[in-house]
Amino acid sequence: DGGITQSPKYLFRKEGQNVTLSCEQNLNHDAMYWYRQDPGQGLRLIYYSQIVNDFQKGDIAEGYSVSREKKESFPLTVTSAQKNPTAFYLCASSIVLAGSSSYNEQFFGPGTRLTVL
Amino acid sequence: DAKTTQPNSMESNEEEPVHLPCNHSTISGTDYIHWYRQLPSQGPEYVIHGLTSNVNNRMASLAIAEDRKSSTLILHRATLRDAAVYYCILTGTDSGGGADGLTFGKGTHLIIQP
Repeated sequence: DGGITQSPKYLFRKEGQNVTLSCEQNLNHDAMYWYRQDPGQGLRLIYYSQIVNDFQKGDIAEGYSVSREKKESFPLTVTSAQKNPTAFYLCASSIVLAGSSSYNEQFFGPGTRLTVL
Repeated sequence: DAKTTQPNSMESNEEEPVHLPCNHSTISGTDYIHWYRQLPSQGPEYVIHGLTSNVNNRMASLAIAEDRKSSTLILHRATLRDAAVYYCILTGTDSGGGADGLTFGKGTHLIIQP
């Protein structure tokens, strides 16, 4: 089955520790995204990547880092610099269509719920 | 970026049609209108999108006002499985139709009564 996988589903960490969230897709999509969701709120964009070895900051990139060494993988590291890391983290992917009339449907993974103790 | 306004919550009965409104009075001529929905504790899923004309797919219909300042997502016969948060999102063609990420508001929490 094609899709996006995120692991683990639940993650606990102690304050001050870095933690890496996994995101893998087998949809052959060029673009990948990381979002954060707090309770009762919409999703906010952390980082995105439209091609391997390149990525851009989203609206709330401070305290996070990413890498895109392979097309199918886009791991997110939550660093100790992130002041309030407890949240629901969602990864997504999409194709990138050329042309100004394009539209890129995003496919989302099941999410990782991170709790800092 | 153009913004959208949606009611915080709506309630409907099972097997009845549901009309979810979205206002986007500052929409530009090239902005797409998208709808995604998020079931509890899951990632969002695409529902439908449009530019100017009304659109239908197996999940829903999208009715776009003639001046494009508002749109309505229509679920023709709601089931309990349609209970979710529904997001109305705009993207411009300058952003590749969302290839640089989507901007989510709080959406509308749809409650379905059996």
